[in-house]
Amino acid sequence: SQKIEQNSEALNIQEGKTATLTCNYTNYSPAYLQWYRQDPGRGPVFLLLIRENEKEKRKERLKVTFDTTLKQSLFHITASQPADSATYLCALEGAAGNKLTFGGGTRVLVKP
Amino acid sequence: DAGVIQSPRHEVTEMGQEVTLRCKPISGHNSLFWYRQTMMRGLELLIYFNNNVPIDDSGMPEDRFSAKMPNASFSTLKIQPSEPRDSAVYFCASSFSQTQETQYFGPGTRLLVL
Repeated sequence: SQKIEQNSEALNIQEGKTATLTCNYTNYSPAYLQWYRQDPGRGPVFLLLIRENEKEKRKERLKVTFDTTLKQSLFHITASQPADSATYLCALEGAAGNKLTFGGGTRVLVKP
Repeated sequence: DAGVIQSPRHEVTEMGQEVTLRCKPISGHNSLFWYRQTMMRGLELLIYFNNNVPIDDSGMPEDRFSAKMPNASFSTLKIQPSEPRDSAVYFCASSFSQTQETQYFGPGTRLLVL
């Protein structure tokens, strides 16, 4: 069966360090993968999209990699700040076009 | 643009009552999605529409749940009768499926069924 796994344990990190989150999937062949940020009491907010033919994508302090052989995406927050504290969700395109399936999310806490 | 609008933001009801959640997608978006989020199961897709037509409702838990999209600017998700296990946050999201796959989420409706 299809599965998307993110580390369910919270990631505690010191301000200024790089936070690295993983998203592993099985039984998918997604054309693209997305990362979203969710703050408490709010809906997810889109951050980055990376396609299957792209190895890496950057946006400001964020970097995403996509390894279709390993079936894994890594999400990096460089020079992390307390304002980066949130839950980060990866999402994969399903079999039917723009239908997304989300991972369980990883909570990040950046300490000053 | 005001973004995706959902109402109500909070709903407390008693078991057996009918619950109707409402969503106004971003103007110009032609895909609309209903999700449910719980601690145990995470964010689950219930149903999605493309050009007001339901495309995939395989995530709808059971016949107690129904969704409609009578026009491009309005959708409802109805639960009748509601049960305590339906307690969750329900999100609506929209996207413009032709050129971008990213989804824009509303603020959610927090539903508590007693």
